[in-house]
Amino acid sequence: DIQMTQSPSSLSASVGDRVTITCRASQGINNYLAWYQQKPGKVPKLLIYAASTLQSGVPSRFSGSGSGTDFTLTISSLQPEDVATYYCQKYNSAPLTFGGGTKVEIK
Amino acid sequence: EVQLLESGGGLVQPGGSLRLSCAASGLTFRNYAMSWVRQAPGKGLEWVSSISGSAANIYYADSVKGRFTISRDNSKNTLYLEMNSLRPEDTAVYYCGKEPRQSSGWYSDYWGQGTLVTVSS
Repeated sequence: DIQMTQSPSSLSASVGDRVTITCRASQGINNYLAWYQQKPGKVPKLLIYAASTLQSGVPSRFSGSGSGTDFTLTISSLQPEDVATYYCQKYNSAPLTFGGGTKVEIK
Repeated sequence: EVQLLESGGGLVQPGGSLRLSCAASGLTFRNYAMSWVRQAPGKGLEWVSSISGSAANIYYADSVKGRFTISRDNSKNTLYLEMNSLRPEDTAVYYCGKEPRQSSGWYSDYWGQGTLVTVSS
């Protein structure tokens, strides 16, 4: 099975900073990758699918890139409401594995 | 507006069984695949199972294969997860999710609020 590895596992950044989270697949998955945001105590929310397509209603400061094995989620200007754990998920084929998550905090 | 409402969680002893339900509204249910995803306390997300809109295609994580059964009743707009031979490591919040297409094996664009399953003696 394909493994999904996220890095870093946590980060702390200042408001307004550019934040980058990486997700690496152990084998190529084309662009079958989604990103989710889960705020503390809340339900996960879809941010991006097809590696770079922004879900409707998601702020434009979020963006995704990559294809094959290496993917990136970028927050262009970190806001206080972005405090959350972010997960990637592959969906090229079952199992639909999630990455381990990246916890984002405000410095 | 799409709404998903899970129910059926609770406390069960190891080796026991439980049936989760997910009632869907605000969509033509049969047109969409559905998934179950779980989250153990303080841990990350783990995909459990997916089922296509017609129930013709079903997938399971290895960790639940042979113990859990996903099904759906399109006449009742309801998704189910039958869980047998439960283990302490199955303790988690179980979320149902709507996938964007009728065929299964995609991401979830809508999520329910989750239902807590606790496996303990």
